[in-house]
Amino acid sequence: ETGVTQSPTHLIKTRGQQVTLRCSSQSGHNTVSWYQQALGQGPQFIFQYYREEENGRGNFPPRFSGLQFPNYSSELNVNALELDDSALYLCASRMYRETGELFFGEGSRLTVL
Amino acid sequence: GQQLNQSPQSMFIQEGEDVSMNCTSSSIFNTWLWYKQDPGEGPVLLIALYKAGELTSNGRLTAQFGITRKDSFLNISASIPSDVGIYFCASNSGGYQKVTFGTGTKLQVIP
Repeated sequence: ETGVTQSPTHLIKTRGQQVTLRCSSQSGHNTVSWYQQALGQGPQFIFQYYREEENGRGNFPPRFSGLQFPNYSSELNVNALELDDSALYLCASRMYRETGELFFGEGSRLTVL
Repeated sequence: GQQLNQSPQSMFIQEGEDVSMNCTSSSIFNTWLWYKQDPGEGPVLLIALYKAGELTSNGRLTAQFGITRKDSFLNISASIPSDVGIYFCASNSGGYQKVTFGTGTKLQVIP
């Protein structure tokens, strides 16, 4: 167990709706990143938060946004949901922002109908 | 962008056999990481490599950072049923924020 917790574990939304996913990082980790994993693929980097600011972003549109709080927990918000947004959303924390050693949560499985 | 290609894509092996899988890239990397993902869970870090030529073991797992810095392999010796899962190579050499994951190797172990 990594100490990274995510909620909810599963959710179903319809096209056009908005969703908020939550993540608590491992104790002592101040950097949180979010990944999208479509079925049968590897995780794809969405963005990273460090000291409450976005610190790097992958190839995702602006309707994917996030927040990091003073306790290092984080939220991922997705607006105007599309069918292709159906995926496993993984949160990962790390001890310092330069390392590739990520500690993942179990993920939030989003289904968009 | 950076691409990490893994082979084989999937494999079935008998319990007790040794397994080898590899990861290649057209770019030079400074780090190689190997993760395992069980069904319904997030990936878990198995081994991290930071120097060309480095050979590192973690129990029955051994991974090497290729001399050319464009490849890495992972070996599993004496496989057991709990080795079942998807193995991903990864690297953050393209920019420290982003960790790029490979296409994955799905391992099935037949008891």
